[in-house]
Amino acid sequence: DADVTQTPRNRITKTGKRIMLECSQTKGHDRMYWYRQDPGLGLQLIYYSFDVKDINKGEISDGYSVSRQAQAKFSLSLESAIPNQTALYFCATSDAGTSGGDSYNEQFFGPGTRLTVL
Amino acid sequence: DQQVKQNSPSLSVQEGRISILNCDYTNSMFDYFLWYKKYPAEGPTFLISISSIKDKNEDGRFTVFLNKSAKHLSLHIVPSQPGDSAVYFCAASEAGAGSYQLTFGKGTKLSVIP
Repeated sequence: DADVTQTPRNRITKTGKRIMLECSQTKGHDRMYWYRQDPGLGLQLIYYSFDVKDINKGEISDGYSVSRQAQAKFSLSLESAIPNQTALYFCATSDAGTSGGDSYNEQFFGPGTRLTVL
Repeated sequence: DQQVKQNSPSLSVQEGRISILNCDYTNSMFDYFLWYKKYPAEGPTFLISISSIKDKNEDGRFTVFLNKSAKHLSLHIVPSQPGDSAVYFCAASEAGAGSYQLTFGKGTKLSVIP
């Protein structure tokens, strides 16, 4: 079974609709992230959460909101979808642990959700 | 302003030869660098990383080189195999500052020709 799962895998919706993308993980990680990937571009961070009570905006948070329902669940919402939010959305997790120097806790990604806003 | 740049959108290499993927960065605060590999319809998977206190890290067929003065890193795959065909993303972080945020490049699509 996959460690990081995302639902739905594909979604087509209309402008103005509210959409929720869900992410669940069984890795036991404290930290969770939502990224967006546009064609020909790298991944951009939307929001991240270091624990249930700690939510932080990433570089492109406008038009999005998140909810960390539990350690294992992190959902992304588009309150009123618009066509330029059409993209691939990835959830990722990482361990807390220590960082710096020679250590880093790499992020593990889910399979992605392809969202199309008409 | 792109802080992590992968200037080659695509690369084709013959099976058995060396693949060299390049990445440049502009933020001198970056101190940890990672390469991720992505197949179609899958999420990125971690491949190899390097801290700024090193200039080389090797893992099997994969080696990452870091040139801090040039703000440049490269991923070498030797020998290249058809299964290596994927999009490779370079990513960087200010890990020493306690940040887990990754800044990604746009990716390089590697095609290994049998």
